[in-house]
Amino acid sequence: NAGVTQTPKFQVLKTGQSMTLQCAQDMNHNSMYWYRQDPGMGLRLIYYSASEGTTDKGEVPNGYNVSRLNKREFSLRLESAAPSQTSVYFCASTVAGTSSYNEQFFGPGTRLTVL
Amino acid sequence: AQTVTQSQPEMSVQEAETVTLSCTYDTSESDYYLFWYKQPPSRQMILVIRQEAYKQQNATENRFSVNFQKAAKSFSLKISDSQLGDAAMYFCAYRGRTSGTYKYIFGTGTRLKVLA
Repeated sequence: NAGVTQTPKFQVLKTGQSMTLQCAQDMNHNSMYWYRQDPGMGLRLIYYSASEGTTDKGEVPNGYNVSRLNKREFSLRLESAAPSQTSVYFCASTVAGTSSYNEQFFGPGTRLTVL
Repeated sequence: AQTVTQSQPEMSVQEAETVTLSCTYDTSESDYYLFWYKQPPSRQMILVIRQEAYKQQNATENRFSVNFQKAAKSFSLKISDSQLGDAAMYFCAYRGRTSGTYKYIFGTGTRLKVLA
């Protein structure tokens, strides 16, 4: 049981390049999330997927797209990277609904630098 | 909209002593969940403790306990007998219980230093 996995762990891009961050969970969770973490700003929600087949914008969606490929996988794409997208990116998942066991489980993060 | 505020960017505690990290939130909902997450230098986010708003009793997990004051919308984390391994960023998080609500709101974090 690997939990939430993310690839890659580190990435350096040049301005204008594109890339996709991959996320997968093996806990049969319904909801998945992408956050970015910047110093002094906590975790900010980029996009989330409440269930397979649905995606919604979070607080900071500009410059990103997502795909919920299936129940396990949720990818984040940067079409044209900008220096402002330098950050640490976290994927998370949760059971969802009103279950008591609804904490988010997080991946190890991806440190992205855009030059 | 809900908000979560952590007003202490950094705290220090002597090893074996007790420290309290503050968190306040704003919501119009009557039922919700609150969480404390720990992020050590490895960056991995680890759940420390959770509280359901409809439960009166404060949650406790070993050396970690919360002081949940629903009327004051306050959710502080107390760490007893602090250890060097407790040094980390700590994030307070909120999630509403309304059906269909899937978003979690995080505070900006408190960096805890543990002094030997």
